[in-house]
Amino acid sequence: GAGVSQSPRYKVTKRGQDVTLRCDPISSHATLYWYQQALGQGPEFLTYFNYEAQPDKSGLPSDRFSAERPEGSISTLTIQRTEQRDSAMYRCASSPSSGKGEQYFGPGTRLTVT
Amino acid sequence: GESVGLHLPTLSVQEGDNSIINCAYSNSASDYFIWYKQESGKGPQFIIDIRSNMDKRQGQRVTVLLNKTVKHLSLQIAATQPGDSAVYFCAESAMNTGFQKLVFGTGTRLLVSP
Repeated sequence: GAGVSQSPRYKVTKRGQDVTLRCDPISSHATLYWYQQALGQGPEFLTYFNYEAQPDKSGLPSDRFSAERPEGSISTLTIQRTEQRDSAMYRCASSPSSGKGEQYFGPGTRLTVT
Repeated sequence: GESVGLHLPTLSVQEGDNSIINCAYSNSASDYFIWYKQESGKGPQFIIDIRSNMDKRQGQRVTVLLNKTVKHLSLQIAATQPGDSAVYFCAESAMNTGFQKLVFGTGTRLLVSP
């Protein structure tokens, strides 16, 4: 596609429910990143994938958070048993290859946990 | 759309002025630095990057300066235009993370008056 897309754009869920967010990276891009962005702050790294491999998930806040990229293209971020503190913008980015270089960000999914 | 940076440091300039946005980083191991621009309701957009073996890099209307001695990064925008109004983030990464883990600063809001 023309850019990174994410769905849904907005998600409201009740505390305790599970949510799954989706990211479609730029089709030729090998590397995919997930970030969490609180209002008024810069994005915070969660995890990244090189194709389907997940070399670093050190930024995931707890074991309630998990991400997958089973075929090296589309990725999902799942939050189990959501808590109010999980409310944030979740952003996906992709880049052509691992290492230095531009990361192209998607529009994000705004998650609100009530 | 969302509002990014409700309580961020703000730099207000007149159209045509030069703007300088500053960033201090804390990790002395960081050796790759990027500036991103984030407009309201959108994901961060790459502006320019610089490696630690350089102290200056120029792009179109933008210049990034790196002072490793005092761990300081700046973004200079020449002839600032109303379309430059956005929140600007610096980000850093290090070779020991494969340059994958970007750490973003807190951001500065740039307001350009016509």
